[in-house]
Amino acid sequence: KNEVEQSPQNLTAQEGEFITINCSYSVGISALHWLQQHPGGGIVSLFMLSSGKKKHGRLIATINIQEKHSSLHITASHPRDSAVYICAAPISNFGNEKLTFGTGTRLTIIP
Amino acid sequence: GAVVSQHPSRVICKSGTSVKIECRSLDFQATTMFWYRQFPKQSLMLMATSNEGSKATYEQGVEKDKFLINHASLTLSTLTVTSAHPEDSSFYICSASPPWGGGGPLGGETQYFGPGTRLLVL
Repeated sequence: KNEVEQSPQNLTAQEGEFITINCSYSVGISALHWLQQHPGGGIVSLFMLSSGKKKHGRLIATINIQEKHSSLHITASHPRDSAVYICAAPISNFGNEKLTFGTGTRLTIIP
Repeated sequence: GAVVSQHPSRVICKSGTSVKIECRSLDFQATTMFWYRQFPKQSLMLMATSNEGSKATYEQGVEKDKFLINHASLTLSTLTVTSAHPEDSSFYICSASPPWGGGGPLGGETQYFGPGTRLLVL
């Protein structure tokens, strides 16, 4: 069982829809990353959060440390949001920077 | 914001040759850099962790003699794939962790990712 799990694995939606991607993890962590990987492979770090909520443009990330769960939301989705979204957390050791990655959610936004 | 670059962005080489990939932190000093590999439709897998001025720490199953890592300065780490074979064809990504990430409330979790290098070995 992967220590970081994401759902759904694939998500197709119409332009404008509200998107939610979920990430759950099995052990206590100090922070969680949300990453965006474009079709060409390049990775962009979207958020790193340890509590509460962060917002950047149309992206919102929330985390509930007690429930070991995080969500990434996209409002007013656009075809350019199509990408693979990955959550990652330093699972192995407290304070260790090594990240454990979820398997990713492939998002496709249809015009 | 913090920027990490990689060079080259893609490389095609013949089997048996060595390939060097550079990872640079452009506007900050990276005390720690990480090298990942990603096969098609799979998640990123950590290969090794390198700290400036010391030997890299390799993950289990990663051959240190095949994947040579040199973190010679606080802004540059290199990964050399020696005697590359077709099974080494993959997407290699580095990330860098700045020293301020280690001093704040989030500890050392801050990482900035490079754009990746796609290696194809023929």
